[in-house]
Amino acid sequence: DQQVKQNSPSLSVQEGRISILNCDYTNSMFDYFLWYKKYPAEGPTFLISISSIKDKNEDGRFTVFLNKSAKHLSLHIVPSQPGDSAVYFCAASPSMEYGNKLVFGAGTILRVKS
Amino acid sequence: SAVISQKPSRDICQRGTSLTIQCQVDSQVTMMFWYRQQPGQSLTLIATANQGSEATYESGFVIDKFPISRPNLTFSTLTVSNMSPEDSSIYLCSVLLNTGELFFGEGSRLTVL
Repeated sequence: DQQVKQNSPSLSVQEGRISILNCDYTNSMFDYFLWYKKYPAEGPTFLISISSIKDKNEDGRFTVFLNKSAKHLSLHIVPSQPGDSAVYFCAASPSMEYGNKLVFGAGTILRVKS
Repeated sequence: SAVISQKPSRDICQRGTSLTIQCQVDSQVTMMFWYRQQPGQSLTLIATANQGSEATYESGFVIDKFPISRPNLTFSTLTVSNMSPEDSSIYLCSVLLNTGELFFGEGSRLTVL
């Protein structure tokens, strides 16, 4: 039973345009959500997070939107750059003190074409 | 952040053999974890490596298959025992930083023939 789902295995976007990566979750106990980025031959790195008390968090070109009623979050990258090409993992936890409680999605491969 | 060194970075192994992956962190960390990423799958937590005591395994993972050592606060090993092709995965060591961020090593890509 996948509690965190990233239904798009891959996404291709033109440089300068917006990239939108989507994530759905089923566990209503999840309260804290994160996005990780992973380049080939490297470990995943933390990108941005959002707690359930917010519906939007912005950090430079990256914005995460949370719709709790729909159990859906999305990551927007504007403008997209070729260096953004990577695998993006959505993750969720019952709290900000997540420790070993993070549940990851299967990832979405983003390709930004120049 | 932290510097996490994993060895080996990749290996090709024969069915039935065992491989031990090492994880070295450049600072003392309380919480250290081992994850697995099978091809096309999500990152899945195998176990929490506890310093000085037995690891805490997640559902579906057992000590006989994935023995883990954690002799101190900077080092841990994960052994994949009696390997089969289904064990072909990326195995990742991760630590929880004081900032609350889960920080990952580069991973060890294992291919079992």
